[in-house]
Amino acid sequence: GQNIDQPTEMTATEGAIVQINCTYQTSGFNGLFWYQQHAGEAPTFLSYNVLDGLEEKGRFSSFLSRSKGYSYLLLKELQMKDSASYLCAVRDLLLYDGGTSYGKLTFGQGTILTVHP
Amino acid sequence: EPEVTQTPSHQVTQMGQEVILRCVPISNHLYFYWYRQILGQKVEFLVSFYNNEISEKSEIFDDQFSVERPDGSNFTLKIRSTKLEDSAMYFCARGRGNTGELFFGEGSRLTVL
Repeated sequence: GQNIDQPTEMTATEGAIVQINCTYQTSGFNGLFWYQQHAGEAPTFLSYNVLDGLEEKGRFSSFLSRSKGYSYLLLKELQMKDSASYLCAVRDLLLYDGGTSYGKLTFGQGTILTVHP
Repeated sequence: EPEVTQTPSHQVTQMGQEVILRCVPISNHLYFYWYRQILGQKVEFLVSFYNNEISEKSEIFDDQFSVERPDGSNFTLKIRSTKLEDSAMYFCARGRGNTGELFFGEGSRLTVL
């Protein structure tokens, strides 16, 4: 199974930088994902890491260390619209008779980020 | 235009009634998933569907739940006899791109009274 931990809540100021951490313990690993979810809406994909290191995408960056079971999402130049829940999710490796396939994503509880003016 | 359309957007039902939630992808895909999110809680995996067969299911996905792709296009989740604790947002998702990230539909909110 998967066990995923992330802080419940964080606050930050508009224009600042914030880092949201995620630690995981897994029985199988085939990638780590970050999603953003605004209240009452569906999660939307932000980033994906499968190898160690940093992936940068505009104001958002995500880092992975597989040996440590650790990832973080870095948000720069925070805007009010970044107030949302940020979900860390780990994907299983699914094996079946035909080969391998994408396993399910297991989500953490989410980190509610509040950006203040 | 959404890549995955879910209906209904909101359904209110009495405990013990059957509910069918529908998911319509815009284009043909092999991988589909159903997730649910109880208010204030995390997104939970229910079942995955690959090439018209269930490939994985969670402990939540008991005999009260079933999934079908009746006409090769629509993808349905049926709850045979709803319970109060089935009240949640139900998301259909498909795998997308080289990374296989999930693209979620807008969700169907189920309220069981």
